This record gives sequence, structure tokens and C-alpha cells, in this order.
Amino acid sequence: DVKVTQSSRYLVKRTGEKVFLECVQDMDHENMFWYRQDPGLGLRLIYFSYDVKMKEKGDIPEGYSVSREKKERFSLILESASTNQTSMYLCASSPPPQGTVSYEQYFGPGTRLTVT
Amino acid sequence: AQSVTQLDSQVPVFEEAPVELRCNYSSSVSVYLFWYVQYPNQGLQLLLKYLSGSTLVKGINGFEAEFNKSQTSFHLRKPSVHISDTAEYFCAVSEGAARSSASKIIFGSGTRLSIRP
Repeated sequence: DVKVTQSSRYLVKRTGEKVFLECVQDMDHENMFWYRQDPGLGLRLIYFSYDVKMKEKGDIPEGYSVSREKKERFSLILESASTNQTSMYLCASSPPPQGTVSYEQYFGPGTRLTVT
Repeated sequence: AQSVTQLDSQVPVFEEAPVELRCNYSSSVSVYLFWYVQYPNQGLQLLLKYLSGSTLVKGINGFEAEFNKSQTSFHLRKPSVHISDTAEYFCAVSEGAARSSASKIIFGSGTRLSIRP
């Protein structure tokens, strides 16, 4: 079974702090993703990475950065946390597309971040 | 640009009754469609997917979905629900295109299914 793990289930940080959210997958997947989930808005893509050191902005990258130094690990960084970044953060991974056929994504359990 | 609309934010159903969760998408090219389920305090888990072939797709836990290209819909159905089906359900779409866009999936806003005993 694919396993995607996230470093924390719950996190409380203060405004202005630098926050690191870590994600690790054990299936040698090329693609990794960071989403935030808010009630009524579904999942919104923050960043994704299709290879080590490669990244692409998603729909809502402002206020976030990412790092992928190793294939299995994808980190989300909040440079200066703000209260509007309070949310559920979900990490996912997937194999690369075969031609133009996409594969499903495998999700971690999520990190509920509260910024006070 | 592709998008996904889940028409119902909440669906209450009695136990053992049938249920249909609606999903419509918009896309100008071939699409790949998914339904995910999220149980309380967990990540998302794949229920079923449509990549090609038969338009009726069967998934886990007795769920199935039908791809209707003319109506651009991918509704999820179960003939008889159980208390354990209480969860949030997300419809998602991915377009067949260049590498980076083919890897991305667009999610709907979710439908919360609540089962009454």
C-alpha cells in the first residue's frame, strides 16, 4: 500500500512564525502535491513538484514556498504565518502520467494548522 | 479551463436508502474523472475512477458512477447506504494534455453525506 505521511496532525503557531510542514511518501512517486482544504471550497492546489528540485505554482501559491531535495520528501513552508493561513493542509503523491493519462493521487492524513 | 461543480453541499439520507451525489464538469478535451471519499479526521481515499472504456464504473464499498459525456456529468450512486458511509465526497477531473497539466487534478467543493438511522 502507498503510504503518505505528514509530520504533524495538529499544529498551532503564532502570527509571523516560519512554519514547516513535511510530507514523505514511500512509493517512489515522481509527483507530489500540497493542497489546502477549507469548508465549502474543496481542495485548492498550492504547489506541486514533478521531480526533485522541480516545482510549479498551483492556484494559490501566495504566502507559501516549497522544497523538494529528495524524491520522497516534499516540504511546504509558510515564511511568515498569518491568521488567514489557518486551514487543513493535505499532501498527496502520484506516479507520472502515462502519455496523457493521469493517475490518481494518494493522500496523507492532513495537518490542521491554526495560526493565532 | 477545466472545472468541477458538485451541486449539493449536503445530502441527508436514511440508512438503507439509495443515494446519488451529483457532479458536473467542464472541459474542452478528454477528461479523466475521479471520486474521492474523506472520512472524519482523515485524508482523501480513492473511491473510483474513469479513465476510458465502459462508462459505468464500479468502486469500493458498493459505490458506482456513470460517465455521461453529452451531459458532462459523473454522478455517484449507491443503492443502499450504511451509517459507515457518512463522509465527505469529492468529485475531481484531470485533463489529458502536456505533462504538468496531466498530473494535476481539479477538485469539486465536496458533498457531505449524512446517514440517518
